[in-house]
This record gives sequence, C-alpha cells and structure tokens, in this order.
Amino acid sequence: GQSLEQPSEVTAVEGAIVQINCTYQTSGFYGLSWYQQHDGGAPTFLSYNGLDGLEETGRFSSFLSRSDSYGYLLLQELQMKDSASYFCAVRGDDKIIFGKGTRLHILP
Amino acid sequence: EPEVTQTPSHQVTQMGQEVILRCVPISNHLYFYWYRQILGQKVEFLVSFYNNEISEKSEIFDDQFSVERPDGSNFTLKIRSTKLEDSAMYFCASSGFDQSNQPQHFGDGTRLSIL
Repeated sequence: GQSLEQPSEVTAVEGAIVQINCTYQTSGFYGLSWYQQHDGGAPTFLSYNGLDGLEETGRFSSFLSRSDSYGYLLLQELQMKDSASYFCAVRGDDKIIFGKGTRLHILP
Repeated sequence: EPEVTQTPSHQVTQMGQEVILRCVPISNHLYFYWYRQILGQKVEFLVSFYNNEISEKSEIFDDQFSVERPDGSNFTLKIRSTKLEDSAMYFCASSGFDQSNQPQHFGDGTRLSIL
C-alpha cells in the first residue's frame, strides 16, 4: 500500500534546530511537499522537492533522497510561533497523500 | 494577498441529510481540490477538479460525494446522505497548475458535525 511515515511528535528548544523526517512508499513519485498547520488553521505550503538535494527558504530547508524514499524538513532558529503540526505530502500516480503529521513542541 | 474562502465555517447536520460545502478558489487558479481532516488525524485527499471534470479522486470519495463548479467562482462539495463518520474538517484548496511544485492554497475549512 501507499504510506508516508513521520514522527508523531518532536520537542525542541527555542533558538535551536530541529529536523522532521518523512519516509514514503507510493505508487509513482512526483515530488515531496511540506505543509505547516497551526491548531484550528488551514495547512500552508512551506516547500517542495522534486529532485534530490536541499532546498532552502529562509529558516526552513527541505531535503529529498529519492533513492532512499526519504526527505526531511529542517527548521532553524526556532521561534515559539513555529509550534504547529508539519505534514509531508507526496504526489503519487493517482493522488496526493499526506503524512499523519508531526506535532512540533517548542520549549522556551 | 488573494485567498481561498469557504462557507460556512461550521455546519451542523442531522445524519442522513444532504449537505453542501462551498468554496471560492483564488480567481486565476484552474485546479481545485477537496480534503478532509478528521479531528486529530491527517489531511486526506478527496478529489481534484479541472476543466469542469474530476481529474483524480480517492477511495473516500464514493457515490455519496459529488463536486460541482456551478458558476465561474464557486466550487462545491455535496454529501448526499451524511453519516456520523463524515464529521470532519473539510478543506478546499486551489492551485494555478496541477504540478507538485505548485503550492496549493487552502481555505480555512468548514467544520462539519453530523448528529
């Protein structure tokens, strides 16, 4: 079957760096995206990787290794407002699949 | 910045009743999507729509579901005979292109409660 695996929760300290991993198993692969969702809010697009390597957007970076079916989201200089759930999403042959989300807790 | 708008924000419906959730995508976007998120769970893809046709749908999107673009601005999701398990947050999204590198812009969602 098709699946995405990511940790359910991660805790980090304000100002630190945190990495959220995502492994996937899908029928077809057309890129890995990351979305942020605050409690009660809508998902918002953060980044996309279609090819292997690192994509950087400000404090956020995302990495993809297609041969390992693996990617990660790296958040630097953590701020309290980064407390949210983070979803990886893969576009497969016939649909978009979201992971179950990683809840990021940030400690002051 | 243009945004996707959804109405109502909360819909309460008796089991077995029909419900229509409404969305106004970003005006120059061509691809539209519906997602469902049961409380505390992941976002689940329901359907994508382009050029007045369904382009993809998931196994969740059975005969009880339908989508329509009745005019140039609205995009609706209809559930014909609601079940208790249809209770969830329903998100509409739109994008300019149906490509993975194109961000999907999500609305704030409609919380559907089935009694």
